[in-house]
Amino acid sequence: KNEVEQSPQNLTAQEGEFITINCSYSVGISALHWLQQHPGGGIVSLFMLSSGKKKHGRLIATINIQEKHSSLHITASHPRDSAVYICAALIIQGAQKLVFGQGTRLTINP
Amino acid sequence: NAGVTQTPKFQVLKTGQSMTLQCAQDMNHEYMSWYRQDPGMGLRLIHYSVGAGITDQGEVPNGYNVSRSTTEDFPLRLLSAAPSQTSVYFCASRLNLAGNTIYFGEGSWLTVV
Repeated sequence: KNEVEQSPQNLTAQEGEFITINCSYSVGISALHWLQQHPGGGIVSLFMLSSGKKKHGRLIATINIQEKHSSLHITASHPRDSAVYICAALIIQGAQKLVFGQGTRLTINP
Repeated sequence: NAGVTQTPKFQVLKTGQSMTLQCAQDMNHEYMSWYRQDPGMGLRLIHYSVGAGITDQGEVPNGYNVSRSTTEDFPLRLLSAAPSQTSVYFCASRLNLAGNTIYFGEGSWLTVV
């Protein structure tokens, strides 16, 4: 079992729908990152969370440390949101390495 | 401020050849790392560095070498390429161990035939 699991692996929705992507982890972490990988391959950082909730535009990320679970929500989804979304856990011990989920491929149809 | 610059973007190698993937950042970041991304798998850590002169192995280090002679540069060397090293490689940096934002290079698509 991977230390970081994402669900679903693939998600197709219609423009305007509310999107939720889930990330569960089984290790002790100091923070969790959400990343977006564009179709061309580039990866950008969306959020880093250690507790609670963060919001940026139509994107909202939450984390529940006790339940070892984080979610990424997209409100009023748009075709330009189509991308792979990746969560990455910052492991608490040692050199604070990142462990990545497999990614969720999101497709928003017009 | 160019962020993380990674080259080359595409490369085809023959089995047994060696090559170096270059990575440079201009943000004075302490922490730099190399990952590989394979279909159906998350990014996996190859090597990382917490500062100039300090490197360490990640999850999948075999067949790769790194060095960190300056804060800015963190090249990844493939010593004797194998088909199993066909992958997409990403260099990343962040300010320090607990850095808020991770900056990624654009990726290098490597095919070993």
